[in-house]
Amino acid sequence: GAGVSQTPSNKVTEKGKYVELRCDPISGHTALYWYRQSLGQGPEFLIYFQGTGAADDSGLPNDRFFAVRPEGSVSTLKIQRTERGDSAVYLCASSPAPGELFFGEGSRLTVL
Amino acid sequence: AQSVSQHNHHVILSEAASLELGCNYSYGGTVNLFWYVQYPGQHLQLLLKYFSGDPLVKGIKGFEAEFIKSKFSFNLRKPSVQWSDTAEYFCAVRGGSYIPTFGRGTSLIVHP
Repeated sequence: GAGVSQTPSNKVTEKGKYVELRCDPISGHTALYWYRQSLGQGPEFLIYFQGTGAADDSGLPNDRFFAVRPEGSVSTLKIQRTERGDSAVYLCASSPAPGELFFGEGSRLTVL
Repeated sequence: AQSVSQHNHHVILSEAASLELGCNYSYGGTVNLFWYVQYPGQHLQLLLKYFSGDPLVKGIKGFEAEFIKSKFSFNLRKPSVQWSDTAEYFCAVRGGSYIPTFGRGTSLIVHP
């Protein structure tokens, strides 16, 4: 498809488990962003990639969160030792340049 | 650091009523401003954006927003809302970095 694709759309896991969330951006978009959205809140920035490198990871809440984009296209957000407070919708967005963001449908993570 | 305030968290209107959603930001330099909309069950999508030039910006579906630099505001307006405008509306600002910061959103319900 032409849009940003995120998988899985829903993920239920147990506290302490490891989770990976995948984002496939729009072809040709060099910038990729991860945000997290909790109920009743706006998207909260996590990390920004320009190409393969993480240009800004200041939004990652702690060292349990990590993201990669090895070939400058698909990105994976990795969460270790999940906690109930990690439950949220994780949003991925891509952009061709410093302009508008194109969002995916999000991955809803529930930690029991 | 940049931040965004959306003071109206919940707005309920009848069809044909006029709409104005407030958005104030804090950042001392040049900004890019955005309004995003999230319809029920759909992903975030761009409604309109301001980068430079005419401070009155027109977007999709009859929406417009006015950038007032002296008030650090970018309020969203629509003269006559429709039931299909029921959605969450998010204001976002990008200042000195490539990372847009979002407000917490306004939930709009339009009664037919």
